[in-house]
Amino acid sequence: GDSVTQMEGPVTLSEEAFLTINCTYTATGYPSLFWYVQYPGEGLQLLLKATKADDKGSNKGFEATYRKETTSFHLEKGSVQVSDSAVYFCALRDPMNTGFQKLVFGTGTRLLVSP
Amino acid sequence: GAGVSQSPRYKVAKRGQDVALRCDPISGHVSLFWYQQALGQGPEFLTYFQNEAQLDKSGLPSDRFFAERPEGSVSTLKIQRTQQEDSAVYLCASSPGQGASTGELFFGEGSRLTVL
Repeated sequence: GDSVTQMEGPVTLSEEAFLTINCTYTATGYPSLFWYVQYPGEGLQLLLKATKADDKGSNKGFEATYRKETTSFHLEKGSVQVSDSAVYFCALRDPMNTGFQKLVFGTGTRLLVSP
Repeated sequence: GAGVSQSPRYKVAKRGQDVALRCDPISGHVSLFWYQQALGQGPEFLTYFQNEAQLDKSGLPSDRFFAERPEGSVSTLKIQRTQQEDSAVYLCASSPGQGASTGELFFGEGSRLTVL
């Protein structure tokens, strides 16, 4: 079945450091890929998405490129801020396999940014 | 507020008790989802409603789990005869369109259930 694998956390960085959070996926169809973020005390919210191969999603300085050849969707940011401290979830939707209603999530990666 | 609201935020139940978790989606949102998030894991799909119709309940782990959305707005997730493995955060999400067609779900903060 479909699955998403993320790097384990926590990822601990100093402010202004470069961030990469790795995400790889397994899917039988042609999935859309997403990054969700959960800030402390809040619900998950969509950060960015990409719907086909080679698409780049971007938002709030974060970027991720849909790489079909490596089945990856790594999240990057050039300069993190303390306010980026949160848990980041990679997810996919595979309509051909599981329909339009279901998102499959990874286990989440906690990011801690210190001043 | 205008977001998805869940109650109670925390629930402690003794094994064997029944619990009911409530979700108020964003007004006007057609689709409603329930996810279960165990400690250290990502959210896992439980069930999906389009208006009042439960179109997918493939993720419900057993017949002790029951969800309803009778008027196409508020939803309740009921767990009968709770067991320790039911301990988790139960997340509700809604979206304005059909299913997760845009991939953007609006999540509540969750209801944390602890079964002793």
